[in-house]
Amino acid sequence: AQKVTQAQTEISVVEKEDVTLDCVYETRDTTYYLFWYKQPPSGELVFLIRRNSFDEQNEISGRYSWNFQKSTSSFNFTITASQVVDSAVYFCALSRTGSARQLTFGSGTQLTVLP
Amino acid sequence: NAGVTQTPKFQVLKTGQSMTLQCAQDMNHEYMSWYRQDPGMGLRLIHYSVGAGITDQGEVPNGYNVSRSTTEDFPLRLLSAAPSQTSVYFCASSYTGLAANNEQFFGPGTRLTVL
Repeated sequence: AQKVTQAQTEISVVEKEDVTLDCVYETRDTTYYLFWYKQPPSGELVFLIRRNSFDEQNEISGRYSWNFQKSTSSFNFTITASQVVDSAVYFCALSRTGSARQLTFGSGTQLTVLP
Repeated sequence: NAGVTQTPKFQVLKTGQSMTLQCAQDMNHEYMSWYRQDPGMGLRLIHYSVGAGITDQGEVPNGYNVSRSTTEDFPLRLLSAAPSQTSVYFCASSYTGLAANNEQFFGPGTRLTVL
């Protein structure tokens, strides 16, 4: 069975602060994919990043960065110099490889960035 | 391309009523799936399909039926709605080839309330 845990239910920061969203996962598969999605107040799901389990390199995209550590089964997401527009619910998700594409989601972290 | 479309956007039902949530994609994706999103629980998989004529159950299939007669459409049917089915429903699709990298495309969601 697969499981994704996002222990932080809600986080509140002041604009320009850095914030890290934690994600811990469980799987018996040796190959898998990890994802982060953003859900703004409008409700749609916005894809942020996908990481293959073979690729443990950290990734940076503008103010966003991701730290994948297979040894601790973690895939954490950091927003640098947060902005009010970053306020959203963020979901971490895990999927198996192969023809099945089922995503197992964490419960989400509500991030509020205050001006 | 319209991507993944869902209709209706909002729906209110009375207990015991039936309805079909529509999902369509124009990307020729083999894989399609339905998720429900409940507060504090992330998204959970209801049913999925790896191609026309093939469907299977996800984590929370009870109370829902699906069929896949074409590649483009994957409707979700509630035969007798219950208040516990009040939720936001997301449809998703993706390729299933090895090079697809499991990226899933989500529809905008349907907010369903059962009274």
